[in-house]
Amino acid sequence: EPEVTQTPSHQVTQMGQEVILRCVPISNHLYFYWYRQILGQKVEFLVSFYNNEISEKSEIFDDQFSVERPDGSNFTLKIRSTKLEDSAMYFCASSEDRAQPQHFGDGTRLSIL
Amino acid sequence: GIQVEQSPPDLILQEGANSTLRCNFSDSVNNLQWFHQNPWGQLINLFYIPSGTKQNGRLSATTVATERYSLLYISSSQTTDSGVYFCAVERGNQFYFGTGTSLTVIP
Repeated sequence: EPEVTQTPSHQVTQMGQEVILRCVPISNHLYFYWYRQILGQKVEFLVSFYNNEISEKSEIFDDQFSVERPDGSNFTLKIRSTKLEDSAMYFCASSEDRAQPQHFGDGTRLSIL
Repeated sequence: GIQVEQSPPDLILQEGANSTLRCNFSDSVNNLQWFHQNPWGQLINLFYIPSGTKQNGRLSATTVATERYSLLYISSSQTTDSGVYFCAVERGNQFYFGTGTSLTVIP
């Protein structure tokens, strides 16, 4: 069964550095999403992406964050000037259509030191 | 934003027991999904169920959209069912996860 894959599985970065989290959505999917989950808390929506542009973003997704689909397969989340509170698990998801279920990757655990 | 509340927050079951998990949401939604987050942190899609009833093996789910709730039934629970169960709803192209039910199944 096709899967959403995320790399790296764990990223450790110094505060103030930039990080790029990578995702390869399922190949025939058109909608892409990023979520984060701070340890012990619920999953929070960050952004949805369709047709090469952001379709919706939450209050969390401020100017520090950006997303990009640099080629036909990858979907990236960039966090500029990381802060301690950015430490979390970041999940990528994709769906064939808005009215179809979202499939999640295994996540990237981001640790900011 | 929309409020999504799940109950109970924590649940401990003896292996073989049945349970019902509830998800209440504060406004009308377009989509609803149930997920299982296993002890390794993976989010596994269980059901895509904006309305009606679906069954998959020992699990079934019912969403009554007009009354703004969804139920997840687990029958004959197994230790591998342990983890956190989340419901997530979509409204206005934003997605909101519930607070989760942490389930522990003991042998």
